Amino acid sequence: DTAVSQTPKYLVTQMGNDKSIKCEQNLGHDTMYWYKQDSKKFLKIMFSYNNKELIINETVPNRFSPKSPDKAHLNLHINSLELGDSAVYFCASSQKLAGVSYEQYFGPGTRLTVT
Amino acid sequence: AQTVTQSQPEMSVQEAETVTLSCTYDTSESDYYLFWYKQPPSRQMILVIRQEAYKQQNATENRFSVNFQKAAKSFSLKISDSQLGDAAMYFCAYRSSNAGNNRKLIWGLGTSLAVNP
Repeated sequence: DTAVSQTPKYLVTQMGNDKSIKCEQNLGHDTMYWYKQDSKKFLKIMFSYNNKELIINETVPNRFSPKSPDKAHLNLHINSLELGDSAVYFCASSQKLAGVSYEQYFGPGTRLTVT
Repeated sequence: AQTVTQSQPEMSVQEAETVTLSCTYDTSESDYYLFWYKQPPSRQMILVIRQEAYKQQNATENRFSVNFQKAAKSFSLKISDSQLGDAAMYFCAYRSSNAGNNRKLIWGLGTSLAVNP
């Protein structure tokens, strides 16, 4: 059983196109995240939703728009793709339960290549 | 603002030996959580171990253990009996226990560990 899944795992597209990445978690968690990992492996938080409410919105171009239809799903739509958007995008989820720590569980990542 | 520093961009260890990865952090908070994540070449991010700051006992998970020095703000990861499958990028992360902090993890830049046969 996959805990956090992302589709697609690989995405190759041309500059200027619009694309979406989907994420689903079956852990019953209440919080989901999108991260961008660049070629130097630096992890940058982009967005986070808690029970469908946006709670983290880091400095990210407006071309990136997250959408959470329910607390088990968090999608990322990217408009007008640029070369610099090439990276691995990770979805993650977490839940706090009576003092248990906020560890995050990650999806397998989506490698986006913009040509 | 909290920061996490991993001062060793790359390390290597011989198979079956022990290696320690360093992590220091800066915070003014007294209650928080610390994590080590592993990212092998498959790119999957895997939680290795977590430590609650209010616990004095160092966390241990099989061959992985931490040396948590709260006063020194140090959180090193020790891998014993290193195996080829331990080769990966290791990330240290900090999380405030403050609910107003929006559950955000503060990440180090990672340490790339090579395991030599």
